[in-house]
Amino acid sequence: RKEVEQDPGPFNVPEGATVAFNCTYSNSASQSFFWYRQDCRKEPKLLMSVYSSGNEDGRFTAQLNRASQYISLLIRDSKLSDSATYLCVAFYGGSQGNLIFGKGTKLSVKP
Amino acid sequence: EADIYQTPRYLVIGTGKKITLECSQTMGHDKMYWYQQDPGMELHLIHYSYGVNSTEKGDLSSESTVSRIRTEHFPLTLESARPSHTSQYLCASSERGSSGNTIYFGEGSWLTVV
Repeated sequence: RKEVEQDPGPFNVPEGATVAFNCTYSNSASQSFFWYRQDCRKEPKLLMSVYSSGNEDGRFTAQLNRASQYISLLIRDSKLSDSATYLCVAFYGGSQGNLIFGKGTKLSVKP
Repeated sequence: EADIYQTPRYLVIGTGKKITLECSQTMGHDKMYWYQQDPGMELHLIHYSYGVNSTEKGDLSSESTVSRIRTEHFPLTLESARPSHTSQYLCASSERGSSGNTIYFGEGSWLTVV
């Protein structure tokens, strides 16, 4: 079983739609979580960190459920420019720890 | 913007050639990484380093080697390139924090072995 699992996608949605991505992690010792965005043939870039209380950045909302070992990303009023692959990332292990990337979920927003 | 740089960005070389992919960061980060990613596929960690003189193998077995003689520099070398090495190689760095600081990626090196 992969340590970080994501919805396989692809998600094809119309502009303006609300879309939710889910991610589960297997290591209960995971300490920090992130969502990264990767455009086609580009490097991944940090979209947002995920905090225990949930956090919002404009149209993007991230939530963490430690009991269920589940992370989510909600995108409201999706734009064409939101089309990308979204990577769920978990960190564990302290100062010698490592980041575990999910396989990513591809989003395609259509006009 | 992340201050992490990779060269070359694109390279086509013949089978059997030796190649070194360069990676430098000016953020003073202790941790550095090399990932391999084929188009449309997942990231695979092939090497990482906690600091100077530290190198570790990642989750995906790789015939490449790395060195970390200086904090800011983490080159990756293929002694004898093969077509199976054709891929994108992404270098990254992060602070060595207990809370998993943000990882920053370079723009990648696209390697084609013919």
